[in-house]
Amino acid sequence: QSVLTQPPSASGTPGQRVTISCSGSSSNIGNNAVNWYQQLPGTAPKVLIYTNNQRPSGVPDRFSGSKSGTSASLAISGLQSEDEADYYCATWDDSLSGPVFGGGTKLTVL
Amino acid sequence: QLQLQESGPGLVRPSETLSLTCTVSGGSISSTSYYWGWIRQPPGEGLEWIGSIYYSGSTYYNPSLKRRVTISVDTSKNQFSLKMNSVTAADTAVYYCARVIVGTGRFDCWGQGTLVTVSS
Repeated sequence: QSVLTQPPSASGTPGQRVTISCSGSSSNIGNNAVNWYQQLPGTAPKVLIYTNNQRPSGVPDRFSGSKSGTSASLAISGLQSEDEADYYCATWDDSLSGPVFGGGTKLTVL
Repeated sequence: QLQLQESGPGLVRPSETLSLTCTVSGGSISSTSYYWGWIRQPPGEGLEWIGSIYYSGSTYYNPSLKRRVTISVDTSKNQFSLKMNSVTAADTAVYYCARVIVGTGRFDCWGQGTLVTVSS
């Protein structure tokens, strides 16, 4: 049981916009910045979004993040086949005194 | 360019100790801007933070694993290590080492991961 709650799956067709939600509490998302990781099949996770809505260099602007209260969202517009991956939200948890991850969302491009 | 590489046995017997080392290249493990962490991922499951260490040796652990885990650092070799005792099949996972930006909790650079199987 993950501290952060994500839907286990999401899907869309090429060109569509999809969003992935991440729900937490006042001890984690409510009080700390959220990061999103993309894990392509068979590879290590990589940072996709950091500090709620910032993109590392090299990440297309099709990817965007937002946070409101104790929830965060990742949006992917202009969906492409190469976006098929697992996506994880993560943040610091003040009660745990450490980082926590969501359970992950498997994105399928139909 | 910073690179992290995990190494260690791929098979560990139940009740024994899992030992892994992460070698950092292309940067110094003694940087004051970063912690260094371990994360694991059981087959087909999500990510779980195990613990992190600063170059000074200061550590913090996931409370659910703290009783069985020790993380250490060797700045002379630019390496940090993970030891987990009394392992069971539930500890079978891909183990990743990663760099953590101080003050953010963000894992900004990851190793490729190494699969550790606990089996007799």
